[in-house]
Amino acid sequence: GAGVSQSPSNKVTEKGKDVELRCDPISGHTALYWYRQSLGQGLEFLIYFQGNSAPDKSGLPSDRFSAERTGGSVSTLTIQRTQQEDSAVYLCASSFGNEQFFGPGTRLTVL
Amino acid sequence: AQSVTQLGSHVSVSEGALVLLRCNYSSSVPPYLFWYVQYPNQGLQLLLKYTTGATLVKGINGFEAEFKKSETSFHLTKPSAHMSDAAEYFCAVSEGAGNNRKLIWGLGTSLAVNP
Repeated sequence: GAGVSQSPSNKVTEKGKDVELRCDPISGHTALYWYRQSLGQGLEFLIYFQGNSAPDKSGLPSDRFSAERTGGSVSTLTIQRTQQEDSAVYLCASSFGNEQFFGPGTRLTVL
Repeated sequence: AQSVTQLGSHVSVSEGALVLLRCNYSSSVPPYLFWYVQYPNQGLQLLLKYTTGATLVKGINGFEAEFKKSETSFHLTKPSAHMSDAAEYFCAVSEGAGNNRKLIWGLGTSLAVNP
């Protein structure tokens, strides 16, 4: 069956521009997580969605970061006014239980 | 807050030798513990997990880990390394109540296997 998919796989943008990253979770998975993997910081939790509950946004590093999940399925992570320190691999994971299944990630480079 | 420490950012072993990757955690509640592997240019893949029950857990590719509460450790082992085991390994602890199982990660250990 299909796993978690993310698009684009790579994104190069200029400082100050907005970017949108997309995640398609595994069908039927009610939980969705975004993480960021960057050099020197390792993997960091960003945000969590569970069904129709209010998301856990405690990991978002600044108010330039936001995310939504429409219809309990697809999620979009938006970064406004990108900065060079936003360069990282953004990972999405979905789960229906204890195990999280990860997508291949989106590599974001901010020039 | 929970945290994870992986001792050794780089580990090098010979093919056929024992693999030991160390992970220590801090948690004020019974943790769920995970090891993930990331092969070059690939996504994260679950190796094994501990939630409840037996403290020695077996995973894919011959790996296993033992949850030791008294030592707050969850070290990953494999009796005999294979060249294909070369990868980045991440230990993680699950934090959060209810269904929220956001993962807190160690910084990772890069495993090199020498012929």
